[in-house]
Amino acid sequence: GENVEQHPSTLSVQEGDSAVIKCTYSDSASNYFPWYKQELGKRPQLIIDIRSNVGEKKDQRIAVTLNKTAKHFSLHITETQPEDSAVYFCAAAYNTDKLIFGTGTRLQVFP
Amino acid sequence: DAGVIQSPRHEVTEMGQEVTLRCKPISGHNSLFWYRQTMMRGLELLIYFNNNVPIDDSGMPEDRFSAKMPNASFSTLKIQPSEPRDSAVYFCASSLKGSGGYTFGSGTRLTVV
Repeated sequence: GENVEQHPSTLSVQEGDSAVIKCTYSDSASNYFPWYKQELGKRPQLIIDIRSNVGEKKDQRIAVTLNKTAKHFSLHITETQPEDSAVYFCAAAYNTDKLIFGTGTRLQVFP
Repeated sequence: DAGVIQSPRHEVTEMGQEVTLRCKPISGHNSLFWYRQTMMRGLELLIYFNNNVPIDDSGMPEDRFSAKMPNASFSTLKIQPSEPRDSAVYFCASSLKGSGGYTFGSGTRLTVV
């Protein structure tokens, strides 16, 4: 079955800097890769997703890149703000079924 | 839409007791997922349903766990008997199959003492 590894487990950046979180997946059949943000005590919420027919997707300050050959994908947050502080999870699935999540990255943005 | 609704929000129970967690998915969504979240193991998929039919329960830890979806608007996750190691936050999520991202409920924080 699918296995998703996520790095780093914690990330601290200064406000305004960029943050990058990386994930690798094992199942070459996976074709759907969402990212979720979970604030303390809250539910995970979808922030961006990418399908395997594109290599990059952007939404304002966040972007996701996908390298199918290497089976890895990354989340990029530019111009970080304190409200970006949260735990971020990557996930992978085939045809959106059965999302398998990475172990999470705790991002702290210091003012 | 009220989103995915889970109840109860918090549950504290004694070891050996039966626990039932409830979930109402978003109307029109035809896939429902139960996840368990702990610090040690992260977000684990326990079971998921498509059109009320269980598709994959390989994540259910043991026979003490069972899940049902009697209709499109209701699902339960039952633990009997409960043990302290079952303490976690249990999330229900729903989606429209093929459309993409899941919508998670607020979760049930279960504490077994």
